[in-house]
Amino acid sequence: EVQLVESGGGLVQPGGSLRLSCAASGFTFDDYSMHWVRQVPGKGLDWVSLITWDSSKTSYADSVKGRFTISRDNRKKSLFLEMNSLRSEDTALYYCAKASGYDSFFENWGQGTLVTVSS
Amino acid sequence: AIQLTQSPSSLSASVGDRVTITCRASQGISSALAWYQHKPGKGPKLLIYEASSLKSGLPSRFSGSGYGTDFTLTISSLQPEDFATYYCQQFDSHPLTFGGGTKVEIK
Repeated sequence: EVQLVESGGGLVQPGGSLRLSCAASGFTFDDYSMHWVRQVPGKGLDWVSLITWDSSKTSYADSVKGRFTISRDNRKKSLFLEMNSLRSEDTALYYCAKASGYDSFFENWGQGTLVTVSS
Repeated sequence: AIQLTQSPSSLSASVGDRVTITCRASQGISSALAWYQHKPGKGPKLLIYEASSLKSGLPSRFSGSGYGTDFTLTISSLQPEDFATYYCQQFDSHPLTFGGGTKVEIK
């Protein structure tokens, strides 16, 4: 069974940093591209970032470009999102998701980790 | 970025009803569309991909159709476990985008 478990969320002040992690199991992690998608409380879903299976390509939403960095460790079957210069509008539930490729749908999702940016 | 417009934004229906949700893309995306079901406290769940392919293991009451700019998700006979929010998502081009969601509530 595919499992994706996010961690690392919490309360952080504006301008601060946070590192999210996603632990994967139940599938061959290094066969798949991985994504982060977020949901502002009460709002819809917004794609944040992706990384290909071999880390050769990454992509970011304009709203986070230059502030967030996606990475992965295939040996540890883990995905990461380094978030810097956080803003109140980054407050959201962050999901990691498994996808088949660069332009793809999301086959499996985690349950999310909540990031709150507030003073 | 490609915009996806879902309608309605919410609906009330009874168990056994046929429910139809539409998703319109701001430009043609061929069949690069997926549908998800999302319940509170859980991650979204893939239902349909490539506009009309049902994810393996899911009940056949869920179906998708459409091509280009206009797409439809149909639930042929609504069950109690189907009350949730549904989202469409395009994967024709980056940035990947979602529709605004349709909340299906109990009548």
